[in-house]
Amino acid sequence: GAGVSQSPSNKVTEKGKDVELRCDPISGHTALYWYRQRLGQGLEFLIYFQGNSAPDKSGLPSDRFSAERTGESVSTLTIQRTQQEDSAVYLCASSPPPPGELFFGEGSRLTVL
Amino acid sequence: AQKVTQAQTEISVVEKEDVTLDCVYETRDTTYYLFWYKQPPSGELVFLIRRNSFDEQNEISGRYSWNFQKSTSSFNFTITASQVVDSAVYFCALICFTGGFKTIFGAGTRLFVKA
Repeated sequence: GAGVSQSPSNKVTEKGKDVELRCDPISGHTALYWYRQRLGQGLEFLIYFQGNSAPDKSGLPSDRFSAERTGESVSTLTIQRTQQEDSAVYLCASSPPPPGELFFGEGSRLTVL
Repeated sequence: AQKVTQAQTEISVVEKEDVTLDCVYETRDTTYYLFWYKQPPSGELVFLIRRNSFDEQNEISGRYSWNFQKSTSSFNFTITASQVVDSAVYFCALICFTGGFKTIFGAGTRLFVKA
């Protein structure tokens, strides 16, 4: 497809389990972002990848969160030992080289029981 | 520091009213870019507009218009004759060099348009 693709669209897990969320950006987009959005809230920045530069991890809330990106393609956000407060929609966005606008995926809704 | 402030958390209007969403930004850079995004109830964020700091011309697109004023560091968004379909959360955003060219979002303004 032509847009940003995220999977899974919905994930229900038990507290303490690890989860992986995947993002396929638009081909050719050098920048990739992960955001967290809790119900009725704004966008909480998590991590930013730009080309071959070191990622900006300043938004990761704890060391249970990590993300990787392979070149300028797929990215995976991993949450270890999930907690109930991790329940949210995790949004991925990609963009052409700055100052390009962001193209968002539909998000991965995570529910931690 | 780079920052985007959207002071209005929620706005409620009746259909056909005009409404302005405020956005104030902070940056010391002379070159920067401002954006507006819309997140309808369906959830998917979409890009609306980008302006660069050297172009202060106001822009109009149908019922939407944007007023960029460097003197007040504002980039306000007006919807004329609002419609129920305009109900959404609107985010203002900034990209600048000092911010590492990272998109910095405001907290968003939730707009309710009642029939």
